[in-house]
Amino acid sequence: EIVLTQSPGTLSLSPGDRATLSCRASQSVRSNQLAWYQQKPGQAPRLLIYGASSWATGTPDRIRGSGSGTDFTLTISRLEPEDFAIYYCQQYGSSPWTFGQGTKVEIK
Amino acid sequence: QVQLVQSGAEVKKPGASVKVSCKGSGYTFTSYGISWVRQAPGHGLEWMGWISAYSDNRNLAQKFQGRVTMTTDTSTSTAYMELRSLRSGDTAVYYCARDSEDYGGNSEGLLDYWGQGTLVTVSS
Repeated sequence: EIVLTQSPGTLSLSPGDRATLSCRASQSVRSNQLAWYQQKPGQAPRLLIYGASSWATGTPDRIRGSGSGTDFTLTISRLEPEDFAIYYCQQYGSSPWTFGQGTKVEIK
Repeated sequence: QVQLVQSGAEVKKPGASVKVSCKGSGYTFTSYGISWVRQAPGHGLEWMGWISAYSDNRNLAQKFQGRVTMTTDTSTSTAYMELRSLRSGDTAVYYCARDSEDYGGNSEGLLDYWGQGTLVTVSS
């Protein structure tokens, strides 16, 4: 199965800062079928990005996904208070679908 | 609006079984499938498997084969996940999520709407 490694584990930033989250796959993700989810405490994950760079419904355009093959990035251009959360990447190119261990974006 | 509403929290003893339900609304239930994902306390997300509400096809992660049964009741737009032979390591929040069927009759893997989660605690 494909192992996804996210870095860093925690990102300490201030509102208005730029956040750059990385997701690296142990092998190439077929057709760049890579999604990003946001999870807040006590809530279910919410789909933000699919196909590595396509916005899901309701995702603000300050959140962007990029990358291909084995290296993917989620960028939040200017952090808003509601963006402080845990972010997971997930590959759905090869079963079983797998998730990264998450990156926590916390207020500095 | 699309909603998935799950059953309430459960406390089970080791060796017992648990059955979690997930009722869909706001969309055509039989046009999609349901994936199940679990999250142990303080840990990440683990995909368990998928069932199609259209074809009744299933994909199960190898780790759960033989211990998990996934079913749907299209008359009530409800999906079920039963986990047997529970152990302490199964303590987790279990989520259902909407997941389409691809042209090959398998899970597409893109989880666009999620239930609120069901906490299953396994303790003697």
